[in-house]
Amino acid sequence: EAQVTQNPRYLITVTGKKLTVTCSQNMNHEYMSWYRQDPGLGLRQIYYSMNVEVTDKGDVPEGYKVSRKEKRNFPLILESPSPNQTSLYFCASRVGGVTNEQFFGPGTRLTVL
Amino acid sequence: AQKITQTQPGMFVQEKEAVTLDCTYDTSDPSYGLFWYKQPSSGEMIFLIYQGSYDQQNATEGRYSLNFQKARKSANLVISASQLGDSAMYFCAMREAGTALIFGKGTTLSVSS
Repeated sequence: EAQVTQNPRYLITVTGKKLTVTCSQNMNHEYMSWYRQDPGLGLRQIYYSMNVEVTDKGDVPEGYKVSRKEKRNFPLILESPSPNQTSLYFCASRVGGVTNEQFFGPGTRLTVL
Repeated sequence: AQKITQTQPGMFVQEKEAVTLDCTYDTSDPSYGLFWYKQPSSGEMIFLIYQGSYDQQNATEGRYSLNFQKARKSANLVISASQLGDSAMYFCAMREAGTALIFGKGTTLSVSS
């Protein structure tokens, strides 16, 4: 089944404790992105990657890191999480081009205390 | 400036009625795509419908249609014969050539019996 998977789905952590949210897709998509969703703000892009070893900042990259060592994986790293990073996070992937649908993972609900 | 504007924070409709969710966009790129996604209370993002900037006809997918008015830069989603299961948050999104998918802030639709 074609899908984007994220782990963990739920995470409660404390300020400053490094964490990684994994994302994997099995559709051989070039593009992968991370979004955060906050009430009243919609989805905002954190980082994106156009292919292996090619990443770039989105609209809200501060406090996050990413890597793209393999085509299928695009982990999101929070080196020192803070409470303002409490949010719902989505990973997404797609093939190139304007028209192509973006496939979303199920979301990771992160709470930073 | 916002690229995607959804002016209706919440909409209410009765079962079997049609409802229109508004979306306006801002771009100077002649090539772009417009998307609608549904997010039920369970949180996942579900792709509904796509309209390309060069498409001559309005997109339709089952009970969903997109009222595309290019000169007005609007891409309203029309849901015919609403069902209780249509209660969800709906996001309009746009992609220009070579860029990420940009989302509006969403409209919450409530369908009552």
